[in-house]
Amino acid sequence: DGGITQSPKYLFRKEGQNVTLSCEQNLNHDAMYWYRQDPGQGLRLIYYSQIVNDFQKGDIAEGYSVSREKKESFPLTVTSAQKNPTAFYLCASSMTGAPSASTQYFGPGTRLTVL
Amino acid sequence: SQKIEQNSEALNIQEGKTATLTCNYTNYSPAYLQWYRQDPGRGPVFLLLIRENEKEKRKERLKVTFDTTLKQSLFHITASQPADSATYLCGLTGGGNKLTFGTGTQLKVEL
Repeated sequence: DGGITQSPKYLFRKEGQNVTLSCEQNLNHDAMYWYRQDPGQGLRLIYYSQIVNDFQKGDIAEGYSVSREKKESFPLTVTSAQKNPTAFYLCASSMTGAPSASTQYFGPGTRLTVL
Repeated sequence: SQKIEQNSEALNIQEGKTATLTCNYTNYSPAYLQWYRQDPGRGPVFLLLIRENEKEKRKERLKVTFDTTLKQSLFHITASQPADSATYLCGLTGGGNKLTFGTGTQLKVEL
């Protein structure tokens, strides 16, 4: 059963702690993305990776870090430097080569709450 | 600056009617425009993609138009059903893989 999985579905963190969100895909997609969604707002791009061992900052990368050591995995770390980390985090992947490259497949999301 | 605008107010329509959602953009030359559906607490699901040189695309009860002169896309759902109730997101790609989304419009289809 192909798709993208994110874990955990709900995550609680104390202020000052780093936390890592998992994203795994078995679609054999080269590109992967992390978005943040706040209530009433659209998706904002945090980081993206078009190939293993390479990634680029999106529009709101401050306070976040990523790694892409394997094609199928793109974990996101929310660091203590992120001032307002409570949000819904979405991971996505896509093939490379237009136009299908621009169509993204999303995971179910992780809702992070800072206590 | 680049801007993608979708109506932030919810659209309420009666079952069986056609729902029309709007996506306007400025300072952008998108190569592709896409529509996604998002249900509460879930990730968006891809619906349709239309290229800059295409005027219209259809898929079952869905129709998308793309007017690069007006810088606008319209998304239509014909014979709407309560199950169509969701938030619909418009996304633009200028080139490469990067996709920029609008804030979405919530659609409510009432019996």
